[in-house]
Parts: sequence; C-alpha cells; structure tokens
Amino acid sequence: DAKTTQPTSMDCAEGRAANLPCNHSTISGNEYVYWYRQIHSQGPQYIIHGLKNNETNEMASLIITEDRKSSTLILPHATLRDTAVYYCIVRLSYTGGFKTIFGAGTRLFVKA
Amino acid sequence: DTEVTQTPKHLVMGMTNKKSLKCEQHMGHRAMYWYKQKAKKPPELMFVYSYEKLSINESVPSRFSPECPNSSLLNLHLHALQPEDSALYLCASSQAPFTGELFFGEGSRLTVL
Repeated sequence: DAKTTQPTSMDCAEGRAANLPCNHSTISGNEYVYWYRQIHSQGPQYIIHGLKNNETNEMASLIITEDRKSSTLILPHATLRDTAVYYCIVRLSYTGGFKTIFGAGTRLFVKA
Repeated sequence: DTEVTQTPKHLVMGMTNKKSLKCEQHMGHRAMYWYKQKAKKPPELMFVYSYEKLSINESVPSRFSPECPNSSLLNLHLHALQPEDSALYLCASSQAPFTGELFFGEGSRLTVL
C-alpha cells in the first residue's frame, strides 16, 4: 500500500505562498493523490486531488512530479484561516475500490 | 445542500449505556463512512457503506455496530464501550463508492466514563 510522508509542521507568513510537500514513493499507477485539511475541532475538508497532471482550483494548486513519487500543495496567498492540519492522502486501491486512509499530516501555522 | 449533519455534537455515556450516533446527508451520495479520531491523531477508517451495504469493516470491535437504514442515513450504535473509545467520530459521504472526494460532518465528540 502506498503511504505518504509529510513534515510534521511548517510555518508560513500571512500573504505568502505556503508550499506543503508530500512523498508517496510507492504510489501505484491508478492511485490518486488527495489533499484534505482539518481546522481545529472541525471535520476534514477536501482541497484538491490529482493523478498525473498538475491541478488548480479556487483553493489551491497541486503539483505532482513526473515520476509521481512526490507532490506539493500550494496555497498561493496564505491567510490566518489557513492554519490547519493538512493531510496528503494516496487513495489506496484494493479489491473492489479505494480506501481513503489518512497519514499523520502537516500542521501549518500561518503567522501575521 | 452540501452538508453532512451529525448528531449529537457531544455525548457522554457510561460503560453500560447504549447510545447511537446519527449522520445524515441529502446530496444523493451512495457511499457513507465512519471514521474515529483520537486527539492529535489522524482520522482512522472504521466502516464503509456502499449502496446501503456494508463494504468495509476495518476490524472494529463489535461494541460498535453500524447501520445504514437508507441512502441518506448512517447510524453508529454504541454498547458497552470502554473509556479508550472516547474520541471524535466523523461521518463522511461520497458521490460514488470509493471514488471522488469525501464530504465530512463536524463530528460527534464521545466521552465514555
């Protein structure tokens, strides 16, 4: 099963881009990379996902390396409200479908 | 309506009590999930329902009993719990089983005395 490795914590200045890395060196060809975040005392919130190509939406950008062994989530202009735990998830394939298994995540602190 | 609603938000129960957690979604999603989250830990998958049938049970003790009465509702029945079962219980749904993003509720915080 593909597993992910993320930094335990990161700091970012308000208004600057936050770049959150994730290693998933054992990812299989049909396994997607998903990013969620969890603000304190709330349920996780979906951010973005991708398979091979870079993706962008209104919240963030996802850059996946060509070999798919790592990815970076980019929050272009971080705000204090982006302080949260960010989870990089490789949605694991198994007989019958996929499982969404959370790793330890990165605690992002956005500072004024 | 893009919400997953969980009730109650807080629950305190004794080890001999029987209680239930409830989850509801009206997005037409056909998969629903229970996760358990201990403090400062990531959510752990417990159960997955696909088209109202139990598809995944991650070796969860039988004192936790899930139920999916219809495509919009998911219950978690609790009986004879232990203090170590105290946690945040998160419900989620997805449009199709095992694909797409998960939509999470705010969770039910359970304390077992």
